[in-house]
Amino acid sequence: QQQVKQSPQSLIVQKGGIPIINCAYENTAFDYFPWYQQFPGKGPALLIAIRPDVSEKKEGRFTISFNKSAKQFSLHIMDSQPGDSATYFCAPAGSGYNKLIFGAGTRLAVHP
Amino acid sequence: NAGVTQTPKFRILKIGQSMTLQCAQDMNHNYMYWYRQDPGMGLKLIYYSVGAGITDKGEVPNGYNVSRSTTEDFPLRLELAAPSQTSVYFCASRLGQGSYEQYFGPGTRLTVT
Repeated sequence: QQQVKQSPQSLIVQKGGIPIINCAYENTAFDYFPWYQQFPGKGPALLIAIRPDVSEKKEGRFTISFNKSAKQFSLHIMDSQPGDSATYFCAPAGSGYNKLIFGAGTRLAVHP
Repeated sequence: NAGVTQTPKFRILKIGQSMTLQCAQDMNHNYMYWYRQDPGMGLKLIYYSVGAGITDKGEVPNGYNVSRSTTEDFPLRLELAAPSQTSVYFCASRLGQGSYEQYFGPGTRLTVT
């Protein structure tokens, strides 16, 4: 049974802080590890993703760290801003049909 | 490009009624997906399609049906609506092999009472 565990469930940081969201998975066949961002009333949108051949990827203020042996990956948001307040989902997938398996989500609030 | 569009935005159904949620994409994507999102939860895959005429079940297909007669459209049919189908439904599309990003529509909020 494919299972994805995301933590924490919610997170509050001050502007400029560095929230970290973690995702643990069981299926070793996953080979695509994305984070999606969702604002209230909107559909999720891809934020950043990593393939298993690298351990870290940075895009702007967002960084994914990937630990293949521990079957975990995490999202770091540098210099967080109030506009980053949203729900974040990890959603790993296997190759082929790319059926995303979503975590339960982390609701992030960045206070000014 | 409009991207992925969904209609209606909101709908209230009575138990036992049926309806079709519409999804269309204008990006010439091969793959399309239907997810449902229950309050405070992640999305769960209902059905997906890898091209016109080809569909397959996802994690939670019971109570739903799909069809894919064209590349652009991927409607989701609810037969005999039940309160357990109260949810927000998202359609997504992806270009195909070698392209992993899924593009999501704005969602349809469905309430069954």
